[in-house]
Amino acid sequence: VLTQSPGTLSLSPGERATLSCRASQTVSATHLAWYQQKPGQAPRLLIYAASNRAAGIPDRFSGRGFGTDFTLTISRLEPEDFAVYYCQHYGRSLLITFGGGTRVDIK
Amino acid sequence: HITLEESGPTLVKPTQTLTLTCTFSGFSLSTSGVGVGWIRQPPGKDLEWLALIFWDNDERCNASLKSRLSITKDTSRNQVVLTMTNMDPLDTATYYCAHTSLYGSSGWYVLDYWGQGALVTVSS
Repeated sequence: VLTQSPGTLSLSPGERATLSCRASQTVSATHLAWYQQKPGQAPRLLIYAASNRAAGIPDRFSGRGFGTDFTLTISRLEPEDFAVYYCQHYGRSLLITFGGGTRVDIK
Repeated sequence: HITLEESGPTLVKPTQTLTLTCTFSGFSLSTSGVGVGWIRQPPGKDLEWLALIFWDNDERCNASLKSRLSITKDTSRNQVVLTMTNMDPLDTATYYCAHTSLYGSSGWYVLDYWGQGALVTVSS
């Protein structure tokens, strides 16, 4: 089980966003990814293997973590960053779990 | 350029069987390391992974839905079909298919290309 917190983050453009994803048991960082979803759109891959940006993702997005605790940071929020963010575990057994999401709202 | 598109009924009745087709281009499901997955999202709610099928016919299903799900592929037609039996109003959701493969420097799988999704409503 992946638990994301907070459920909603209300911030202003230019601020820093820190999103948490906690696993109920230790997972390999290699198997942990983050996705962004905007209203009416499919999710988009942001971060893979916990800390690697996917192709075309701006460097204001960064990920870190290991074991059970993982973090997605957006260094300076741009207007287009207000969205819902999901962490995902894609395990060694090829089973997939999504976290419950964190909504980043404009304050 | 990889694209995926979901197709199927927009409305099904309770107890009926749902059949969704994912038609893709830009990759082949006969290529080693490649797969297609299905994920759904009820209106206003979170993502739920359903099933995966890989180039070698290896299949994975969400354990909580395994008895109701079937996933197959037609490599020659570039299609993956998801079947879900005994549909319930709680199965109302947008259903996405997505490409999966070993990605980047990690050498592990991600869902890197997604279809736009197909909304399926279950109602009598």
